[in-house]
This record gives sequence, C-alpha cells and structure tokens, in this order.
Amino acid sequence: DTAVSQTPKYLVTQMGNDKSIKCEQNLGHDTMYWYKQDSKKFLKIMFSYNNKELIINETVPNRFSPKSPDKAHLNLHINSLELGDSAVYFCATSRRGSGTQYFGPGTRLLVL
Amino acid sequence: QQQVKQSPQSLIVQKGGISIINCAYENTAFDYFPWYQQFPGKGPALLIAIRPDVSEKKEGRFTISFNKSAKQFSLHIMDSQPGDSATYFCAASMDSNYQLIWGAGTKLIIKP
Repeated sequence: DTAVSQTPKYLVTQMGNDKSIKCEQNLGHDTMYWYKQDSKKFLKIMFSYNNKELIINETVPNRFSPKSPDKAHLNLHINSLELGDSAVYFCATSRRGSGTQYFGPGTRLLVL
Repeated sequence: QQQVKQSPQSLIVQKGGISIINCAYENTAFDYFPWYQQFPGKGPALLIAIRPDVSEKKEGRFTISFNKSAKQFSLHIMDSQPGDSATYFCAASMDSNYQLIWGAGTKLIIKP
C-alpha cells in the first residue's frame, strides 16, 4: 500500500478553470501539508492541517483552498487557474512531534 | 533569519568521488536538520537527519557534519555512485512547530 497517494498524477487544463487535487495517507499521521515545487525545484509550503485545523497558511493566493474531510485526506482546490500555477504539487504528512515528513508522488499541473 | 542557504546549486562528481553539499542557517532556535533526497518524478524522501547535540552522523556512505558555532551543516556522500544522482535538499526546523524551512536544493550528477 502506498503511504501517501495523490490523484491525479498529471493535470493539464486551461486558464480560468477550477481543479482539485486529492491526497490520501494511510500512515495515521495527524499533520498533512501541501507544497508547490516550481521549475527550479524550489519547495514552497502552502498549507498544513493538524487535526482538521489549518495551522500554516503562507502567502498563497486565496484561489487556493485546502479541504480536509477527515484525518486521512487533505485536498487542494484551485479556482481560476493561472499560467503561473503550473508546477508540481506535493502532499506530505508527519506525525505529531516529529520533524520527518513523508511525501506523495506529486501532481504535475500544467495550465495552458 | 528563517532562511536556510544551500550551495552549490548543482554539482558534478566522478563515480567513486566525494560529494559535498553545504547549508547555512541564521536562526539559533533551529534544532533539527534533515536532508532529503529527490529523484526525478518522485517526491522528496528523508535521507538522514541530525540534531545539534552531535557534530557528525553517519549512515552508510552518507554523513552529516554539523558546526553549531558556524551555524553550518553539510552532507558528504562517500564513494558516490550514479544511483546517487538526484536533487538534495537541506532543511531546518524547531521542536516548537516542526515547520521545515527548506534550502533551495542541489542537483547532483554522478558521472560513470
């Protein structure tokens, strides 16, 4: 079983569309994160959720909204997609009190 | 003060050689320093980590050297192999919140 999974793996869409990326974990961890990795490989944290509460929200446009239906899932919804949103988005998880994060395989988003 | 500066941006090493990647930080409250390895098309994965109470940690061919007074830490890969070709990220965090502050990454290429 994959510990942290993301769907879809690839996402190609037009500017202005709304899309969602899903993340599921079976590690029983209570903190989940969304990262954006740009073409230069820089990792930028976007959000994290701990027990269904948002605990980090960096300077991310409000077009991005995380939604956690339960402890095992943290989805990312993006409204009005822009060209600059093209990147790889990673979901990650960690156990409370641990600095180790476990990453999913990534979702490659291309906005045309 | 929250930054972690990583160098070099890219590195080419001959097979069997030693690869060295350096990171520097400013915030003395950081107390956990992990290194992550990312292969193309995959998410980052924890490689090795150190806390500031030790100056060195070794796991197989991978060693972290930590200099608390200089606020620097480095990753050494001994007997580098083509399979080590990847992007390496250093990071730092505090026990109080475990949010990882990431370096910019180093693309390592090991030439056969």
